[in-house]
Amino acid sequence: AQSVTQLDSQVPVFEEAPVELRCNYSSSVSVYLFWYVQYPNQGLQLLLKYLSGSTLVKGINGFEAEFNKSQTSFHLRKPSVHISDTAEYFCAVSTMAGGGADGLTFGKGTHLIIQP
Amino acid sequence: EAGVTQFPSHSVIEKGQTVTLRCDPISGHDNLYWYRRVMGKEIKFLLHFVKESKQDESGMPNNRFLAERTGGTYSTLKVQPAELEDSGVYFCASSQESPSTDTQYFGPGTRLTVL
Repeated sequence: AQSVTQLDSQVPVFEEAPVELRCNYSSSVSVYLFWYVQYPNQGLQLLLKYLSGSTLVKGINGFEAEFNKSQTSFHLRKPSVHISDTAEYFCAVSTMAGGGADGLTFGKGTHLIIQP
Repeated sequence: EAGVTQFPSHSVIEKGQTVTLRCDPISGHDNLYWYRRVMGKEIKFLLHFVKESKQDESGMPNNRFLAERTGGTYSTLKVQPAELEDSGVYFCASSQESPSTDTQYFGPGTRLTVL
């Protein structure tokens, strides 16, 4: 079984400042890693995913994440946030690249709050 | 191309009543998933359809929940009778052909409140 820990339920950041949203996972087998974002009144949207290869993954809207196998982490970063980045961000894992037949395993989510 | 749609967006019912949630996946997507998020908790997998067949319903909480996918198109999730602990946001997702490789696309969710 896998589990995902997002330690920060809320992260307030000033506009144009950098941000890091933390994600740690636990699994006895190799996993694929995902970050999803949910903007207000919308569905979850895939930001990026790590399948293999380079540990630095670039996603949409200027976000990137780094896979660290030794620390079992997949932190999400953006060098300069915008007010439109206000949303809830979910880290997820799966034993399959597409999420698999038994679905994705999610963390509790982190609210990113951008302050002007 | 339309995304995954869910209806209703909100539902408020009394304990003991029945509620049916509907999900319309992206056209042509064989895989359909239901997830649930109870307040303050993780989004948890409920079940997976390939076309009209249930593949894995290991996440279904109990037999008060019944999911169907008529003709392999839209899906319904019925809760009967509803209990207070069923409150939460129910998400639907779909993916194209292979659950192993194809990205899951999520709907906006249905917020269910049981009073």
